[in-house]
Amino acid sequence: NAGVMQNPRHLVRRRGQEARLRCSPMKGHSHVYWYRQLPEEGLKFMVYLQKENIIDESGMPKERFSAEFPKEGPSILRIQQVVRGDSAAYFCASSPDRASGNTIYFGEGSWLTVV
Amino acid sequence: AQSVTQLDSQVPVFEEAPVELRCNYSSSVSVYLFWYVQYPNQGLQLLLKYLSGSTLVKGINGFEAEFNKSQTSFHLRKPSVHISDTAEYFCAVSDRGFNKFYFGSGTKLNVKP
Repeated sequence: NAGVMQNPRHLVRRRGQEARLRCSPMKGHSHVYWYRQLPEEGLKFMVYLQKENIIDESGMPKERFSAEFPKEGPSILRIQQVVRGDSAAYFCASSPDRASGNTIYFGEGSWLTVV
Repeated sequence: AQSVTQLDSQVPVFEEAPVELRCNYSSSVSVYLFWYVQYPNQGLQLLLKYLSGSTLVKGINGFEAEFNKSQTSFHLRKPSVHISDTAEYFCAVSDRGFNKFYFGSGTKLNVKP
């Protein structure tokens, strides 16, 4: 029973390039969350998605960042025209539903370095 | 909105000593409370959670936490730490709608021999 799978684990991009981070939730989970962890800081909520729907994107920067969770395939966090300040660890988490008070399960993260 | 405060950014402790990592939260509604552990370059692993019922919650690796509603606290404790407990610990709250989690800034536990 595989956990939350994120890839790539490490990604290096030059300023101005695009970064795409993928997240496959645990089997049976239809809710996906993205968090960002900046150096020496805690995790900050970015976006909460269900299949084909963005439920809450209140933590997403207004520009350059987008997320999707298509009917088929992994969830994608896309960062366009990356800048040095985007360097961070990006964590995906998933849960089966939100009604039961269940917890969320984290992937091992994708470390983005912008040079 | 909810917020979480972890008062100590770093806690050094000797092996086999007891430890308490503090967590306070603010919320105008009932919440769920969690503690996660993060080892270097890894994701977060759930230690324990409080949803309802007994205010003393036991988790993995010998950790426990006590929910104190009047003090809006959820401190994490372990009576005797091991070198392998060296990691960063995050306290988190989620509203009952379970839409998102709010994390504290983390406490780095450094267990010395």
